[in-house]
Amino acid sequence: RKEVEQDPGPFNVPEGATVAFNCTYSNSASQSFFWYRQDCRKEPKLLMSVYSSGNEDGRFTAQLNRASQYISLLIRDSKLSDSATYLCVSRGAGGGNKLTFGTGTQLKVEL
Amino acid sequence: NAGVTQTPKFRILKIGQSMTLQCTQDMNHNYMYWYRQDPGMGLKLIYYSVGAGITDKGEVPNGYNVSRSTTEDFPLRLELAAPSQTSVYFCASSRGEATEAFFGQGTRLTVV
Repeated sequence: RKEVEQDPGPFNVPEGATVAFNCTYSNSASQSFFWYRQDCRKEPKLLMSVYSSGNEDGRFTAQLNRASQYISLLIRDSKLSDSATYLCVSRGAGGGNKLTFGTGTQLKVEL
Repeated sequence: NAGVTQTPKFRILKIGQSMTLQCTQDMNHNYMYWYRQDPGMGLKLIYYSVGAGITDKGEVPNGYNVSRSTTEDFPLRLELAAPSQTSVYFCASSRGEATEAFFGQGTRLTVV
């Protein structure tokens, strides 16, 4: 089983739609979690950290459920510029606190 | 405002050649990482370092070597390049535990 699993998509949605991505992680010792965004042929960039209490940044909301080892990202009022691959990331305990990446979920927002 | 800088951006190597991918960061981060990303795949950790003089293997270290003589620099060495090493290589750094990682723009390597 992969340490971080995501639905690869692609998710094709119309502009203005709400879309949700899910992610599960297998290492219960994982300490922190992030959503990164990666545009085609570019480096990953942090979208937001994920906190147990849930957190919101504008149109983006992230949730963490430690009991179910589940992370989600909700994007409201999708824009064309949201088209990208969204990477779910966990940071483990020890071993350099390395980041483990999911394979990413591709989002395409269409007119 | 440079952040993480990787050079070169592109490189074509012949089988059996060697090269060093350079990575430097100006944020005084202790943690540095090398990842590779194959088409349609997630990032896989090659090597990482928690500080100058300390390095350790990640998930896919075979065929690579690293060194960390300074806080700023974390070069990745490919010895005897093979077609399986064709990939995009990303260097990243982070301040410490539970903090985000910042990535360089990547090096696209093709081995022919």
